[in-house]
Amino acid sequence: EVHLVESGGGLVQPGRSLRLSCAASGFTFDDYAMHWVRQAPGMGLEWVSGINWNSGRIDYADSVKGRFTISRDNAKNSLYLQMNSLRAEDMAFYYCARGDVDYGFDYWGQGTLVIVSS
Amino acid sequence: DIVMTQSPDSLAVSLGERATIKCKSSQSVLYSSNDKNYLAWYQQKPGQPPKLLIYWASSRESGVPDRFSGSGSGTDFTLTISSLQAEDVAVYYCQQYYRPSYSFGQGTKLEIK
Repeated sequence: EVHLVESGGGLVQPGRSLRLSCAASGFTFDDYAMHWVRQAPGMGLEWVSGINWNSGRIDYADSVKGRFTISRDNAKNSLYLQMNSLRAEDMAFYYCARGDVDYGFDYWGQGTLVIVSS
Repeated sequence: DIVMTQSPDSLAVSLGERATIKCKSSQSVLYSSNDKNYLAWYQQKPGQPPKLLIYWASSRESGVPDRFSGSGSGTDFTLTISSLQAEDVAVYYCQQYYRPSYSFGQGTKLEIK
């Protein structure tokens, strides 16, 4: 069974950094692209970043480009999101999702909450 | 970037009746290389992550009840629930998933009338 478990969320001051992790299990991790999607409380879904199986193709939403860095460690079946220069508008639940080039985002984690506040 | 726009923003339908949600993309998501529309639909219930319902605009994900169906091509798409059940109360999102962007619609909240 596919499992995605995010961690690393919490309270952080504006301008500071945070690193999120996503532990994957139940599938061959390096067969798939992975993504981060966020959702501010009570709001809609916003795609943040995606990375292909071998880290050879990486994409970012304009809203986080230059501040966030996605990475993965296939040996550890893990996905990461390094978030720098955090802003109030980055406050959200952050989900990791498995991306299939044909089927969309077919599995999602439960999310981790990032609160940006002084 | 491709902008996805859903209508309506909210919808109230009686149990057993049909629910229809529209999604429009700012440019075509039909790719000539394989004649596929890179359009997905997701269901999100309160306190849960989204769940994939439909991919390629009209292909139902495994385990999704057949009362859910998707249609459309190019820039205009529809999600239809043929006979609304109480467990279908949720927010529904469309998404185009052809890299380098994977934009979502703003969501449609579906409730029971």
